[in-house]
Amino acid sequence: IVMTQTPLTLSVTPGQPASISCKSSETLLHRDGKTYLYWYVQRPGQSPQLLIYEVSSRLSGVPDRFTGSGSGTDFTLEISRVEAEDIGVYYCLQGLQSPQTFGPGTKVEIK
Amino acid sequence: QVQLQESGPGLVKPSETLSLNCTVSGGSSRKYYWSWIRQPPGKGLEWIGYISHSGSTSYSPSLKSRVSMSIDMSKNQFSLRLTSVTAADTALYFCAMGATPFSWGQGILVIVSS
Repeated sequence: IVMTQTPLTLSVTPGQPASISCKSSETLLHRDGKTYLYWYVQRPGQSPQLLIYEVSSRLSGVPDRFTGSGSGTDFTLEISRVEAEDIGVYYCLQGLQSPQTFGPGTKVEIK
Repeated sequence: QVQLQESGPGLVKPSETLSLNCTVSGGSSRKYYWSWIRQPPGKGLEWIGYISHSGSTSYSPSLKSRVSMSIDMSKNQFSLRLTSVTAADTALYFCAMGATPFSWGQGILVIVSS
């Protein structure tokens, strides 16, 4: 399954919203009713950190300004009010089929 | 809180075998899937594969002929072997917890060069 993301770079003013799109080449809906789409952020010099699992479930401790949505093949990660600590590269990942595949990443910068 | 730490040689010669270990500490259970992911310098993430606590494996088809994983949770470790390496295998290698990784190590840079 091929994952694409847009935009590849996003420059945002602190306090403003940001939105990242992720599309899969096939539906990520499993027959069990779950959709296996995940969002990670890799902050500078750090390992990736899971933010969102199964499209819209926030991991414990992730701020509620992060919201995942979507279905089938189209997904979105929204940051309601970007903060300086949100800089990094955001990746979507499909976990439905092996091999699991990541999107190319969206680099979020602060203006 | 589970912590993971990669270890192994940072330099491997072309055509040789890359071997890495991941040591798991903290947490109470080891009955998870354990993954390896890599990231070439300045590039994105590539899933290598995972191994279950019982030893069943799933590998990326692009690496399947060269990769193997093993696990020994009596030692709190799992391992990655990648044979016949080339410069294209130069990357930051991460170990992680979960078939879909939810807790990652800090990564270890492995350079393939003579």
